[in-house]
This record gives sequence, structure tokens and C-alpha cells, in this order.
Amino acid sequence: QQQVKQSPQSLIVQKGGISIINCAYENTAFDYFPWYQQFPGKGPALLIAIRPDVSEKKEGRFTISFNKSAKQFSLHIMDSQPGDSATYFCAASIGGTSYGKLTFGQGTILTVHP
Amino acid sequence: EAGVTQFPSHSVIEKGQTVTLRCDPISGHDNLYWYRRVMGKEIKFLLHFVKESKQDESGMPNNRFLAERTGGTYSTLKVQPAELEDSGVYFCASSHFDSPLGAYEQYFGPGTRLTVT
Repeated sequence: QQQVKQSPQSLIVQKGGISIINCAYENTAFDYFPWYQQFPGKGPALLIAIRPDVSEKKEGRFTISFNKSAKQFSLHIMDSQPGDSATYFCAASIGGTSYGKLTFGQGTILTVHP
Repeated sequence: EAGVTQFPSHSVIEKGQTVTLRCDPISGHDNLYWYRRVMGKEIKFLLHFVKESKQDESGMPNNRFLAERTGGTYSTLKVQPAELEDSGVYFCASSHFDSPLGAYEQYFGPGTRLTVT
């Protein structure tokens, strides 16, 4: 049973374009939604995160859009660059005694062509 | 500040053998997590230490896996005996309660790629 579903599995975008990755979750107890970026040979690195009390968060070219009623959230990368080529993971976490335990999506391999 | 380190980076063992993975968290981080990614699938939580205590080990697959965290510093994950389905990349992450996002702000190591043949 996969609690966080991520799509697409792979994405090819031209330089300067917009990359959009979507995630859907089932557990309404999730209260923290981070996105991680992973380059080959490296571990995932926290990119941007959002709490369910806001609908959007923007950091530079990266934006998270959050739809609580639809239980969906997405990552938008504006003006995509070849250096953004990486694997992106969405995740979700619950507070309480399970604090910090991340439930991940399957990952999206993003390729940005120059 | 040094990041999370993991050793070894790669390990190839035969079915039935024992392997021990090591994780050194960022100094001062009380929270330490182990995750695993089987090829093509999602990264899955294995367990969570707070200092030397196991806070949550609900993700451990079975009793062939044993995790320890000596003195609340580094951690080891032992697989004994290893099976084919244990192959994957094992990630360690750490976090500090006092960071802006608290325990949620996790820093990951580069992972150990385990191949069981």
C-alpha cells in the first residue's frame, strides 16, 4: 500500500521550460510535505517543504502548490536548467511520536535538455 | 560542518552472509533514521533513533535486521543472514530538534548500495 503516489516517473523538459511533478497522498494526518532532490551518487537533499495550512510556497525558481481538499501537492520548477536534471522525491510526514518519519513517493527522473 | 557519512559506499555479498552498514550522523544530531530504496521503488523508512534509543522501528522488514546506535553517536545496521530481496540502497539521515523545521529537517548520507547475489 503506497501512501504517497508520485507522477510522472520521468520527465523531459527543454531549458527555460516549466517542470511539473505531482503527488497525491491518502493519509489526512500528514502535516509536513517536503520535496527532495537527488543527484547521482548523492543522498536526497531537502529542496523545499510546505505545511498544509498554506496553499503555496515559493523559493527562487521552485514552488510547491498544495491542495488540501484534493490531497494533492505539486512541485513547479520555473525556467528549468540543465543543472536541475536529477531525481525528485515528494514525501510526507506525521507529527507526534512518529515525528520525522518520511513516507516517500517513487521519484521522478527529470532531464532538462540544453 | 561535515555531512552524514556512510560506509561502505558499495557492498556485494552472497546470500546467507552477514553485512554491517555504518552511519555517522552530523555531530550533535539526536535524531538518526535509516531508509532503504529497492531499485525503482520508493524510499522506505526502516527505523528512527533518538540518541541511543529506538523511537520507531516499525519499518524493519524482519528479525534479520538489527540496528544499533552506540552512545547516541554513530549507528550500524546489520543484516544477518542476507537474502536476495535485501538488495538496494540504504540511506541514513539525521536531524536536530533545534533546526528551523525540527526533526523534519533531515540531512541524508550518500547511501550504501548493497547487492546480494
